[in-house]
Amino acid sequence: ILNVEQSPQSLHVQEGDSTNFTCSFPSSNFYALHWYRWETAKSPEALFVMTLNGDEKKKGRISATLNTKEGYSYLYIKGSQPEDSATYLCAFGGGGNKLTFGTGTQLKVEL
Amino acid sequence: DGGITQSPKYLFRKEGQNVTLSCEQNLNHDAMYWYRQDPGQGLRLIYYSQIVNDFQKGDIAEGYSVSREKKESFPLTVTSAQKNPTAFYLCASSLTKLQYQPQHFGDGTRLSIL
Repeated sequence: ILNVEQSPQSLHVQEGDSTNFTCSFPSSNFYALHWYRWETAKSPEALFVMTLNGDEKKKGRISATLNTKEGYSYLYIKGSQPEDSATYLCAFGGGGNKLTFGTGTQLKVEL
Repeated sequence: DGGITQSPKYLFRKEGQNVTLSCEQNLNHDAMYWYRQDPGQGLRLIYYSQIVNDFQKGDIAEGYSVSREKKESFPLTVTSAQKNPTAFYLCASSLTKLQYQPQHFGDGTRLSIL
């Protein structure tokens, strides 16, 4: 079973703060790294899929980077807003037909 | 709007009973997945299907069964052989089986034991 770890487990920030989380995954047999946002009472929503070492993706105030050689990805949120409160999941694709999910980082943005 | 519909939202199972969770998608996706979420754990793959009439076991398939008779539908049966079925179940789909395709999720079904 592959090991995909996310840190921190949870995070409380103030509105306007910038923040970042980490996803660690095996550095061998890399195929893809996914990030999802999961708001309470909603379904997980895809943010990014990254496939190349050095990839950087951006969507509004959220961005992500990828380092496949050392096996990590960072998700950044600039100027956090209350609507950013959610659990952020990463998922590692190591070949085969399935993704391995981390346990998530739970973000709470307070006014 | 295209999406994935899971039903019911909440389900209760009696001891020794089989129950079926429904998952329907109108995204015209080939691949569909069933995941289970338990507190403190990541989503774990139960079964997946790459195409109609084909499915494979995931990491925790014991006590579960699926069918894929139509492209749109991928029901999951939790059998009496699953000794610890209480969990949150998510269905997902992707355009193809390829891992660079994002997955689209339903709202989930919460299963509890009576």
